[in-house]
Amino acid sequence: GNSVTQMEGPVTLSEEAFLTINCTYTATGYPSLFWYVQYPGEGLQLLLKATKADDKGSNKGFEATYRKETTSFHLEKGSVQVSESAVYFCALSRAGGFKTIFGAGTRLFVKA
Amino acid sequence: DTGVSQDPRHKITKRGQNVTFRCDPISEHNRLYWYRQTLGQGPEFLTYFQNEAQLEKSRLLSDRFSAERPKGSFSTLEIQRTEQGDSAMYLCASSPKAGGPLRSTDTQYFGPGTRLTVL
Repeated sequence: GNSVTQMEGPVTLSEEAFLTINCTYTATGYPSLFWYVQYPGEGLQLLLKATKADDKGSNKGFEATYRKETTSFHLEKGSVQVSESAVYFCALSRAGGFKTIFGAGTRLFVKA
Repeated sequence: DTGVSQDPRHKITKRGQNVTFRCDPISEHNRLYWYRQTLGQGPEFLTYFQNEAQLEKSRLLSDRFSAERPKGSFSTLEIQRTEQGDSAMYLCASSPKAGGPLRSTDTQYFGPGTRLTVL
């Protein structure tokens, strides 16, 4: 079945450090891939998405590239801020808009 | 666009009581989803509506759970005879109808959630 695996956290970085959170997926067909962010006590906010192979999703300095050959969608940012401390979820949705399948989440702590 | 809203934001109840949550999707979205999220985990799919039709239900949705979307707009999720294991964040999401940009129906927009605590 479809599944998402992301690196375990927590990830602790100093402000302005480079961020990578690894995500790999298993899916039939060609799913859409997403990164969502969840701040404490809040719902999920869509961070970025990619709908086909080699697409790069980007938003607020975050980027992820849909790699079908390695079934990966790693999240990267060149310089993280303290305000970006949150839990980051990698997710997939198969074509047609059905349920979204989430990874377990990676908690990011950014220290000043 | 006011986003997806959920009510209440927090609910504390005693074991055995019934609870009902409401979700109002983004107005032009015809698809609505319910998820459950427990501490330290990603959201897990519960059920999905397209307009008023409930098209998919997870095995997580036991017979104590029922969801409705009677007019294809807002939705309610009811849990009967709550158990302590039902304590979780219940998330609602909506996505656009078909006919928009390619794969736009795949993107789900989430509400703030209802946190349920069963004592």
